[in-house]
Amino acid sequence: QSVLTQSPSASGTPGQRVTISCSGSSSNIGGNSVNWYQQLPGTAPKLLMYSNNQRPSGVPGRFSGSKSGTSASLAISGLQSEDEADYYCSTWDDSLNGPVFGGGTKLTVL
Amino acid sequence: EVQLVESGGGLVQPGGSLRLSCAASGFTFSDHYIDWVRQAPGKGLEWVGRSRNKVNSYSTEYAASVKGRFTISRDDSKNSLYLQMNSLKTEDTAVYYCTRVVGATTVDYWGLGTLVTVSS
Repeated sequence: QSVLTQSPSASGTPGQRVTISCSGSSSNIGGNSVNWYQQLPGTAPKLLMYSNNQRPSGVPGRFSGSKSGTSASLAISGLQSEDEADYYCSTWDDSLNGPVFGGGTKLTVL
Repeated sequence: EVQLVESGGGLVQPGGSLRLSCAASGFTFSDHYIDWVRQAPGKGLEWVGRSRNKVNSYSTEYAASVKGRFTISRDDSKNSLYLQMNSLKTEDTAVYYCTRVVGATTVDYWGLGTLVTVSS
């Protein structure tokens, strides 16, 4: 049971816009910034978004992030087949005194 | 180029011990926190523990699930981090990733991981 809650799956067709959500509490998302990681099949995770809405160098502008209260979202516009991956949200938890992750959302491009 | 390379994984019996290593390059190792994060087969990511940087006296933190059984150490002269795992349980079976932390809360680089299998 993950501290942060994500829907297990999401899907879309090429070109569509898809949103992945992440829900937490006041001890984690409510008081800290959120990061997102992309894990392509058979590979290690990669940082996709940090500080709620900042893209590391090399991440396409199709990816955007937002946070409101105790929830966060990752949006992917102009969906492409190479976006098919698992997506994890993460933040610091003040009660657990450590980073926590969501259970992951498996994105399928139909 | 930042690189993190884990080694030391393998098959171990329940109750046994294993030591993982992480060799870092491409950045000033002593400046950074380094975390271990694991992923059980087909499951999500779980934080295991942290080694803070030189400025913070290399202090360590552990997840409740491994506290008292796992120990993190580092050798900045070798740009290396270690994870000593004792009293291993079947539920410790996972790919273990060595990760670089920035800003205390963001993992910006991940190693390729090393698989630990705890089974009789």
